[in-house]
Amino acid sequence: DGGITQSPKYLFRKEGQNVTLSCEQNLNHDAMYWYRQDPGQGLRLIYYSQIVNDFQKGDIAEGYSVSREKKESFPLTVTSAQKNPTAFYLCASRDTGGSQPQHFGDGTRLSIL
Amino acid sequence: GQQVMQIPQYQHVQEGEDFTTYCNSSTTLSNIQWYKQRPGGHPVFLIQLVKSGEVKKQKRLTFQFGEAKKNSSLHITATQTTDVGTYFCAGHGGYNKLIFGAGTRLAVHP
Repeated sequence: DGGITQSPKYLFRKEGQNVTLSCEQNLNHDAMYWYRQDPGQGLRLIYYSQIVNDFQKGDIAEGYSVSREKKESFPLTVTSAQKNPTAFYLCASRDTGGSQPQHFGDGTRLSIL
Repeated sequence: GQQVMQIPQYQHVQEGEDFTTYCNSSTTLSNIQWYKQRPGGHPVFLIQLVKSGEVKKQKRLTFQFGEAKKNSSLHITATQTTDVGTYFCAGHGGYNKLIFGAGTRLAVHP
């Protein structure tokens, strides 16, 4: 069954700690995205990648970092520089041919301890 | 930069009533996509509109794309409790990015 897998589902971060959220897809999609969603709010783009070994900052990249070493994987690190990390994080991917829809993972809920 | 505005932010209706959410872009869109996010879930793609003035239907849902391709609407006829969730519109912002509206949260009271 093709899809996007995010892990963990829930994550707790201590002050001053970096944490990494995993996103894996087996849809053979070139483009992958990370969004942040705050309660009752829309989706804000953190980072996106159109191809392996390449990625661009989105609207709220400060305090976050990503890597794209493999087509299937696009992990997001929430660094200690992100002072308000509590949110719902969604990973998405899409086929870059034409105007294809985005497919989302189930998300990771990150909270500060 | 390009913005996609969506109204209302929140609406609650009695089951059986109709519901409409509106989406407006600051620039002309090549296409617009609609997504639904159930409470606690992730956004799921509903439909894409491409042509000026296009109207598409999915059972009780009717999607419209404006003639100028700067606005769109989603109308649900005779809402059911299964319609509960947040509906997002999204337009392409270049470089394979989607610009999402803030969403309209729909509550349906039985």
